[in-house]
Parts: sequence; structure tokens; C-alpha cells
Amino acid sequence: GENVEQHPSTLSVQEGDSAVIKCTYSDSASNYFPWYKQELGKGPQLIIDIRSNVGEKKDQRIAVTLNKTAKHFSLHITETQPEDSAVYFCAASMSDMRFGAGTRLTVKP
Amino acid sequence: DSGVTQTPKHLITATGQRVTLRCSPRSGDLSVYWYQQSLDQGLQFLIQYYNGEERAKGNILERFSAQQFPDLHSELNLSSLELGDSALYFCASSFDRGGGEKLFFGSGTQLSVL
Repeated sequence: GENVEQHPSTLSVQEGDSAVIKCTYSDSASNYFPWYKQELGKGPQLIIDIRSNVGEKKDQRIAVTLNKTAKHFSLHITETQPEDSAVYFCAASMSDMRFGAGTRLTVKP
Repeated sequence: DSGVTQTPKHLITATGQRVTLRCSPRSGDLSVYWYQQSLDQGLQFLIQYYNGEERAKGNILERFSAQQFPDLHSELNLSSLELGDSALYFCASSFDRGGGEKLFFGSGTQLSVL
């Protein structure tokens, strides 16, 4: 089955800096790559997603890039704010959805 | 609010016991997924149901079972509980069979096995 690896496991940035989280996947048939944000005490919430026929997608301060050849995708957050502090999960899906281990992002004011 | 409802929010029980976790999907969603999240761990896929039928199976133990009822709500049954089963259990739902669909997660059930 699909195996998703996510790096780094923790990331600390200063407010206003950019944050980048990277994921690799193993199954070349995977065609959908969402990113979820999980705040303390809550369930994961979808923040952005990308499909395999698209190389990049942007939504305000958040962007995701996909390299199908290398089988990796990344989340980019620009102008980080303290409220961006959370655990971020990448996922890859062909049939069922498999998640990476998560990145705990801390944005210091 | 994702529209996915999980009950109970918290569950404390003893080793060897059996518990049932309940999930109501978003209105109109036909698929229900169960995930386990242990402390500082990622989301481990357990099982998926689509319109009452088992669709995909992940790392679900034989002591665990699930079902989806005609009204589309789902229950996850955990039996012969062990200390290591303590975790946050999430239910998610999507409209279709899965594979390229957005999942909407509930707030989870925190299970503590003492």
C-alpha cells in the first residue's frame, strides 16, 4: 500500500518567515494530495489540496507544489502568523487515504 | 464545524473491556473512515465503509471491528482492550467511494484504557 513520509517532524519559525514542509509518497498511482491542519483538541481540517494533473496550487499565504516524477510534494506557508501554529499532515490517495506522520509548526511572535 | 459527529468525546475504561465508538457522517456523505491517532503519532488508517459495505482495510487489529448502518452512521467496536489502545480515534466522511476525495473529520473520541 501507499507509504507517505513527512519532514521535518517539528519546525519553529519567527512570525513573518516562511515555512516549508515536505512529503514523499511511494505509490505512483496516487492522484490526490491534500494537506490538513490539526489544532489542539480538534480534528484535522483540510487547508489545501492538489491533484496529480496540476503542478502547483496557491491559496492566499498557502501553496502546494507537486513533483510527480520524484513523487514528492510540499506545503509552503508565507508570512507566517502565530495562529498558523498547529500540526500539519500531508496525505496521498488513490483508493484510501494515507497520512504522513505530521509536522508540528510553531510560529514565534 | 465539519458536520461529522463523533460520540462520546471521552471514554475511560479498563483493560479487557469492550467499547463502541459512534460516528455520524456529514449529511449526504456515503463513505466513513476510521483513523487512530496515538500520542504524538500520525493518523493510522483503520477501515473505510461505503454505503454500508467495507471498502478498504488498513492496520486494523482483529480485536477491532466496524460497521456502517443503513442510515449511514458507523460504529467502531474495540474489544479485549489493552493499554496500548489508548488513543484518539477519528471518524471522517466523504461523499463518494474515496480516492481523490476530500475527507471531513470529526472532533474525535479520546479513549483511555487504564
